[in-house]
Amino acid sequence: DAGVIQSPRHEVTEMGQEVTLRCKPISGHDYLFWYRQTMMRGLELLIYFNNNVPIDDSGMPEDRFSAKMPNASFSTLKIQPSEPRDSAVYFCASRDRGGVTGELFFGEGSRLTVL
Amino acid sequence: AQSVTQLDSHVSVSEGTPVLLRCNYSSSYSPSLFWYVQHPNKGLQLLLKYTSAATLVKGINGFEAEFKKSETSFHLTKPSAHMSDAAEYFCVVSEAAGNKLTFGGGTRVLVKP
Repeated sequence: DAGVIQSPRHEVTEMGQEVTLRCKPISGHDYLFWYRQTMMRGLELLIYFNNNVPIDDSGMPEDRFSAKMPNASFSTLKIQPSEPRDSAVYFCASRDRGGVTGELFFGEGSRLTVL
Repeated sequence: AQSVTQLDSHVSVSEGTPVLLRCNYSSSYSPSLFWYVQHPNKGLQLLLKYTSAATLVKGINGFEAEFKKSETSFHLTKPSAHMSDAAEYFCVVSEAAGNKLTFGGGTRVLVKP
């Protein structure tokens, strides 16, 4: 398996623009997670899905952030409008329901810079 | 509530010498504990996990960790550091339901030749 695939790997945009990050989980995995990593706050869970259904979005910073999972093989994280404080590395991770809870498989991340 | 404290933000070792990364946790439940490694510009990769079986856990690349309930610790060790071990390491605790992980602040390891 190719692992969790994220795109784009790098995104530079201007404040106010819409940003869409994409994730393809490992085939057969039932859980999908979006994390954000910054120097100041470390790794934060934004939202996670089980069988394409959002289960907990309490980590989503504000209404400018939204996430969808239209099918088992694709998820998006959208920021509209973007702000400089959204600059971070965004990771997608997936897990098999039969796997050990906490054993996540991470993508290589999408590094977002908002100018 | 659960929390994780990694006692060192940076550790510097010479190649071939032992590595010790310290982690203390607090949890209201019997915890599951993990160590992840992140190489530069890469995602996190699971090194090893503790899930209430043996207290000494062996992971990949020669790493191991010991769960000590009395000390609420889960320190990571490796007897002989390799240059490829230069990375950031995260200690992680999982709540009872398992889907919300709490990450420590990370320990950046530098390996000197």
